[in-house]
Amino acid sequence: AQRVTQPEKLLSVFKGAPVELKCNYSYSGSPELFWYVQYSRQRLQLLLRHISRESIKGFTADLNKGETSFHLKKPFAQEEDSAMYYCALSGGANSKLTFGKGITLSVRP
Amino acid sequence: GAGVSQSPSNKVTEKGKDVELRCDPISGHTALYWYRQSLGQGLEFLIYFQGNSAPDKSGLPSDRFSAERTGGSVSTLTIQRTQQEDSAVYLCASSFRSGGAYEQYFGPGTRLTVT
Repeated sequence: AQRVTQPEKLLSVFKGAPVELKCNYSYSGSPELFWYVQYSRQRLQLLLRHISRESIKGFTADLNKGETSFHLKKPFAQEEDSAMYYCALSGGANSKLTFGKGITLSVRP
Repeated sequence: GAGVSQSPSNKVTEKGKDVELRCDPISGHTALYWYRQSLGQGLEFLIYFQGNSAPDKSGLPSDRFSAERTGGSVSTLTIQRTQQEDSAVYLCASSFRSGGAYEQYFGPGTRLTVT
């Protein structure tokens, strides 16, 4: 079975502070990991995926297979980063996404 | 171009009634997914369609839930004899093909409220 755990429901930081959103997963094979973001009144959208190894909007995430983690990081948070963030895992032939419960990031001015 | 669209955006129904939710995927996308977003359960996979293959229904919570995809395009999710626990936002997503290399694009969702 595949499972994604996001241990925190809310993270509140001041603008300019570093951000780390935690994600741990459980999967027996080789998973594909994603971070999705949902801004207020907008649809869910892909932020980044581990296979791309890219930085989007200043966010990065590294897959650590030893710790089965895929934490999302940003060195300096901006107010426009305030949103709901979901970590997701895809495995198997149908590529369905298994999501964590999500975390609300609030960046205060 | 046009993204994934869903209708209706909001649906209020009485317990015991049947409802149909519609999803129009991005043109040319062969893979289509339904998910449910609820307060207690977060985002859950419901069903997956890929081309003309048999759908993966492993996420459907009960036999009151069914879905079809006509002509490899539009999909309808039907919930029969709705219950209050069915209240949630139902999301549809499509991708060019299945596989992690292909991004899933999500629709705006249908908010279902069962009274």
